[in-house]
Amino acid sequence: GEEVAQTPKHLVRGEGQKAKLYCAPIKGHSYVFWYQQVLKNEFKFLISFQNENVFDETGMPKERFSAKCLPNSPCSLEIQATKLEDSAVYFCASSQSGQANQPQHFGDGTRLSIL
Amino acid sequence: AQTVTQSQPEMSVQEAETVTLSCTYDTSESDYYLFWYKQPPSRQMILVIRQEAYKQQNATENRFSVNFQKAAKSFSLKISDSQLGDAAMYFCAYRLVYSNYQLIWGAGTKLIIKP
Repeated sequence: GEEVAQTPKHLVRGEGQKAKLYCAPIKGHSYVFWYQQVLKNEFKFLISFQNENVFDETGMPKERFSAKCLPNSPCSLEIQATKLEDSAVYFCASSQSGQANQPQHFGDGTRLSIL
Repeated sequence: AQTVTQSQPEMSVQEAETVTLSCTYDTSESDYYLFWYKQPPSRQMILVIRQEAYKQQNATENRFSVNFQKAAKSFSLKISDSQLGDAAMYFCAYRLVYSNYQLIWGAGTKLIIKP
């Protein structure tokens, strides 16, 4: 598609439940990035993919968070045993290549609310 | 440390006036790209302007221009003839050329346009 598509727009989960977010990058873009935006507007990098391969996962919490980008499927970010502090907007972005001058095109985000 | 500082949490400007949003960053690398993103209340992340660090000429996109001072590690955004639609959060970010391609973000500046 022409836009990065993130689903769902809003996800509500009880503490301890699992949450799964999806991202379809722009067609032809080979890099996908996940960012977490917490209430204070700070963006935190989580993980990036080059096609289906993890490129950089230095921002991913070691526990509970996992992500995949499989061929012919939307990328996904999964949080096991959610905590209140996981409440945030999760943005997915894609870029055509890994070159630093390529802008990252963002989806509209998924607002995750943990109750 | 790689950091971006936006020292103005909030700025307001009269419609049709000019406003400048400040941004400073810290990196030991010399090759990078700088970006300004806009996030309106709709939450969508929109690329406003980008600057290559190796270029001395300041980038311009219609009413948006930057003042890039590489030695001072400063990258301010000037918005001329402010319009009501410019009201948004503005985020400054950079991306290293020879690194993992993630964006390093500032905390954002909320821009209010007074009619």
